[in-house]
Amino acid sequence: DGGITQSPKYLFRKEGQNVTLSCEQNLNHDAMYWYRQDPGQGLRLIYYSQIVNDFQKGDIAEGYSVSREKKESFPLTVTSAQKNPTAFYLCASSRRGKEQETQYFGPGTRLLVL
Amino acid sequence: GNSVTQMEGPVTLSEEAFLTINCTYTATGYPSLFWYVQYPGEGLQLLLKATKADDKGSNKGFEATYRKETTSFHLEKGSVQVSDSAVYFCALLGGGNKLTFGTGTQLKVEL
Repeated sequence: DGGITQSPKYLFRKEGQNVTLSCEQNLNHDAMYWYRQDPGQGLRLIYYSQIVNDFQKGDIAEGYSVSREKKESFPLTVTSAQKNPTAFYLCASSRRGKEQETQYFGPGTRLLVL
Repeated sequence: GNSVTQMEGPVTLSEEAFLTINCTYTATGYPSLFWYVQYPGEGLQLLLKATKADDKGSNKGFEATYRKETTSFHLEKGSVQVSDSAVYFCALLGGGNKLTFGTGTQLKVEL
């Protein structure tokens, strides 16, 4: 089955700790995205990557970092600089073309601070 | 910049009632418009989309029409079921393939 997988489903972070959220897709999509969802709010874009070895900051990139070494994978690191990391994190992917392409989402990772 | 405004929830309906969730947008150019649905504890699923004015997206009994003159993309369903209970997000896809979301509308359907 083609799709997007995120792991783990739940992640706990201690103060001062960096944690990495995994996102993998087997849809052969070029573009991948990370969003943050807070209760009662819409999704906000953290980082996105249109192609391997390239990525851009979204609207709320401070305290986060990403890498895109493989087409299938786009891990997100929540660093200790992110002071309010508790949220639901969603990864998405899409084709990359001249026209606007639909984004498809993974099941999400819920990050909690201990 | 781009923005999406949705009606606030929760919206509570009885089974088989008619559903409307309002969505209006502000954008430059001609964005594509989407409705996504999120069930408790899960990611977002694409429900339907429309890519140009007067297009109607439809799926699973849900419909929405891209109205450029009123900058709206209201979601409708003629007869809701308990299984439709979820949070519904309206979104627009602007330049650079960037999605802008509304804040979501929770729908609760009761027997």
